[in-house]
Amino acid sequence: GAVVSQHPSWVICKSGTSVKIECRSLDFQATTMFWYRQFPKQSLMLMATSNEGSKATYEQGVEKDKFLINHASLTLSTLTVTSAHPEDSSFYICSAEGSITEAFFGQGTRLTVV
Amino acid sequence: GENVEQHPSTLSVQEGDSAVIKCTYSDSASNYFPWYKQELGKRPQLIIDIRSNVGEKKDQRIAVTLNKTAKHFSLHITETQPEDSAVYFCAASLGGYQKVTFGTGTKLQVIP
Repeated sequence: GAVVSQHPSWVICKSGTSVKIECRSLDFQATTMFWYRQFPKQSLMLMATSNEGSKATYEQGVEKDKFLINHASLTLSTLTVTSAHPEDSSFYICSAEGSITEAFFGQGTRLTVV
Repeated sequence: GENVEQHPSTLSVQEGDSAVIKCTYSDSASNYFPWYKQELGKRPQLIIDIRSNVGEKKDQRIAVTLNKTAKHFSLHITETQPEDSAVYFCAASLGGYQKVTFGTGTKLQVIP
């Protein structure tokens, strides 16, 4: 199957700093990528849809100025958590449509804000 | 938007028994229903999926059924093994390159 690589796999940062997470499709082009957040023992909640060459579409309740998404190429989308706070600590995971039916997920990024 | 409900939230079965997880969805336009297995701290892995034009699909010990009229779909795992222990998520999508809406998850524990 298609490969989606996410980096870093884990990061610890100080409160108030920004963190960038990368999501790459390694062997296919993805015009659309999705960013999810998963709190412990909870489901994956869609944060935003990242569209190559255009603005991301954010889900209701997700602050676009806090979670900056850039999808500058067909193989890379980035999520930047700006001015991170402890409540932003979570598992962030991206997915890309490797085929018309199946979404392939990155490994996920465990963010801890201290 | 789509809303997917999943039951039960936890399920314990003896090794060798069957496990059934049930989901309902709200958007009648959804036509693609994947199931994912997620081990602790890892990414979700697709284990089986079904489209709206099919009522049942089977892959070895795993099967999925879909009732479009009732907007229900279920995952059946037979002859469960300890390595089946994980969190399972159902999901619904409009298909194509559309977003996937996940259920709340079921933590399956297979007791040796």
